[in-house]
Amino acid sequence: DAGVIQSPRHEVTEMGQEVTLRCKPISGHNSLFWYRQTMMRGLELLIYFNNNVPIDDSGMPEDRFSAKMPNASFSTLKIQPSEPRDSAVYFCASNLRVGNTEAFFGQGTRLTVV
Amino acid sequence: GENVEQHPSTLSVQEGDSAVIKCTYSDSASNYFPWYKQELGKRPQLIIDIRSNVGEKKDQRIAVTLNKTAKHFSLHITETQPEDSAVYFCAALKGGKLIFGQGTELSVKP
Repeated sequence: DAGVIQSPRHEVTEMGQEVTLRCKPISGHNSLFWYRQTMMRGLELLIYFNNNVPIDDSGMPEDRFSAKMPNASFSTLKIQPSEPRDSAVYFCASNLRVGNTEAFFGQGTRLTVV
Repeated sequence: GENVEQHPSTLSVQEGDSAVIKCTYSDSASNYFPWYKQELGKRPQLIIDIRSNVGEKKDQRIAVTLNKTAKHFSLHITETQPEDSAVYFCAALKGGKLIFGQGTELSVKP
C-alpha cells in the first residue's frame, strides 16, 4: 500500500476562497482523522470518522469547516470561506479501529491563505 | 473529553545523554498511548506505543512507561544521537479518538 495519500501538498489561496483538501486512507483502515498543525496549537484533532460515519467533530473550529467521507477510500475537508488564520498544515491519518492500532499519517497539506 | 499535557516543550541534551519526556492524560478510560516523532517538514511517525495492560515497553534505545493510577506516561531515550533531534508527540486514545500532547522539541548537541 502507498500509505495515506493527501492532495494537494501545498495550497495558496486568497482570503474568501473555498479550499478543498483530499485524503485517501490506507486500504482496510476503518478510522480516519483530520488534524490541523500550527506552532501555537500543536496537533489539533478536527474530526474523526469510523466506518465512513463522523463520530466526533467537536474540534471543527467553526461552520466554515466541513468534512465528508462518502466512501471508505476518500475523505475531504472543506473550508469556505477561507481566512488567513486557517493557514496551517492539515494532516489526515487512518488506522484500524479494532485493537487500537497505529495511526498512519499522510504527508500533509500546507495551506496558506493570503 | 480527553486532555493530554506534555512536558517539557523544549529539551536540549548532549549527545550520549538520556532524554525523558512526560505526559499526563485526564480520562482513565484511555487505553492506548503512542509516541510519534516528527522531523522538520515531515509527517509524524510512530516510534513506540504502549497499551493500558502493560507498565513498560522497550525497543533498543527507547522505552515507554505507563502509570495508570497516576495517569501519566513517559518516553525515555538513552544514548541520544544527533539524529534523535525532532519534535516528539505523545497521544492517548479512547473510544477511537486519538488526542495528542503539545509536543516536545528535542535537540541533541554533538
